[in-house]
Amino acid sequence: EDQVTQSPEALRLQEGESSSLNCSYTVSGLRGLFWYRQDPGKGPEFLFTLYSAGEEKEKERLKATLTKKESFLHITAPKPEDSATYLCAVQAGGYNKLIFGAGTRLAVHP
Amino acid sequence: KAGVTQTPRYLIKTRGQQVTLSCSPISGHRSVSWYQQTPGQGLQFLFEYFSETQRNKGNFPGRFSGRQFSNSRSEMNVSTLELGDSALYLCASRQESSYNEQFFGPGTRLTVL
Repeated sequence: EDQVTQSPEALRLQEGESSSLNCSYTVSGLRGLFWYRQDPGKGPEFLFTLYSAGEEKEKERLKATLTKKESFLHITAPKPEDSATYLCAVQAGGYNKLIFGAGTRLAVHP
Repeated sequence: KAGVTQTPRYLIKTRGQQVTLSCSPISGHRSVSWYQQTPGQGLQFLFEYFSETQRNKGNFPGRFSGRQFSNSRSEMNVSTLELGDSALYLCASRQESSYNEQFFGPGTRLTVL
């Protein structure tokens, strides 16, 4: 069964304290791995798509990487506005549905 | 380019009633998917529509249904509402191409009393 697990569930950082979020997955025929950011009461905001092991993408303070079993979202020198829930999702097989992890709640304190 | 829009943003219903939610995709996007988000189960796939046809369906009871119109706008319907149907219902649209990104709307918050 396709499965996505995110860790940690919650993470508290001081402003400027870099860290990484983990997304491990078990799927048949990965077609893409996606990172989203979700603020309270809002829909998920698209961040990155990764398609193959070894791929990396960057956007401002965020960098996403992908291996054959997991993905990392690295946050460099975070700011309070980076506080949100970060969701990882995979698309597998011949379907367009996304299978989501439970998310990591990130809080960045000044 | 305008994003995905969903109406209404908030709904309060009572058990046994039915509800219809609406989604307008990003212009040019022909695929629309619906997801349910709850604190206990997270984000779960409901169904996907493309060219007015349901292409995929998640593991939800038949009380959950949807449709898509020729302009790609989509509606989902939940009949005989139960307390457990209280959730944020999210719509996502996707452009049929080599890119798989799905873009989400703000959601409809449904509360069943």
